[in-house]
Amino acid sequence: QKEVEQNSGPLSVPEGAIASLNCTYSDRGSQSFFWYRQYSGKSPELIMSIYSNGDKEDGRFTAQLNKASQYVSLLIRDSQPSDSATYLCAVVDWTGGFKTIFGAGTRLFVKA
Amino acid sequence: DADVTQTPRNRITKTGKRIMLECSQTKGHDRMYWYRQDPGLGLRLIYYSFDVKDINKGEISDGYSVSRQAQAKFSLSLESAIPNQTALYFCATSDPTQETQYFGPGTRLLVL
Repeated sequence: QKEVEQNSGPLSVPEGAIASLNCTYSDRGSQSFFWYRQYSGKSPELIMSIYSNGDKEDGRFTAQLNKASQYVSLLIRDSQPSDSATYLCAVVDWTGGFKTIFGAGTRLFVKA
Repeated sequence: DADVTQTPRNRITKTGKRIMLECSQTKGHDRMYWYRQDPGLGLRLIYYSFDVKDINKGEISDGYSVSRQAQAKFSLSLESAIPNQTALYFCATSDPTQETQYFGPGTRLLVL
């Protein structure tokens, strides 16, 4: 069973701080990695995708990928109360029919 | 208008009843998915379909069935509902060139 693991949290950071969310995955053959944000009672929405080792930046968000360590992270700079949500890490299983496997999510609270 | 719609948004039913959840999309995507979300367990794949003639079981298909009536429509049925099927159900679509998942608003199901 291929797995995606996240710390469930909650992770609490003060407004303006950097929030660091982490994810590990079991399938070494995975090639596509995603971070989704889900507000309470709402559906997930894509924040970032990353396919190559290294960093990818988009505004206040930076995704980091290390395939050798099977590790992907999301950094949120200048955290805002509106960033308070659950963040889902997702990995596409290329060898298993291109299904997306989701982690259970990390709850983030940004304190004003 | 929303690209992925789900009906109903909320449903209360009794054990043993048959119910159907419906999903429609205007994104023109061939790939459609049904997930359930339970607290602490993240999103789990029930069924997926890569085109009208293709139906595949996900990790938790027991007790569920699906129908892909057209490219735009994908329905999920619970033949005989049981209380542990109480959950939040999401339909999603994806574009094979991007692998990003686009979610509907969700259906909250309570089985008494």
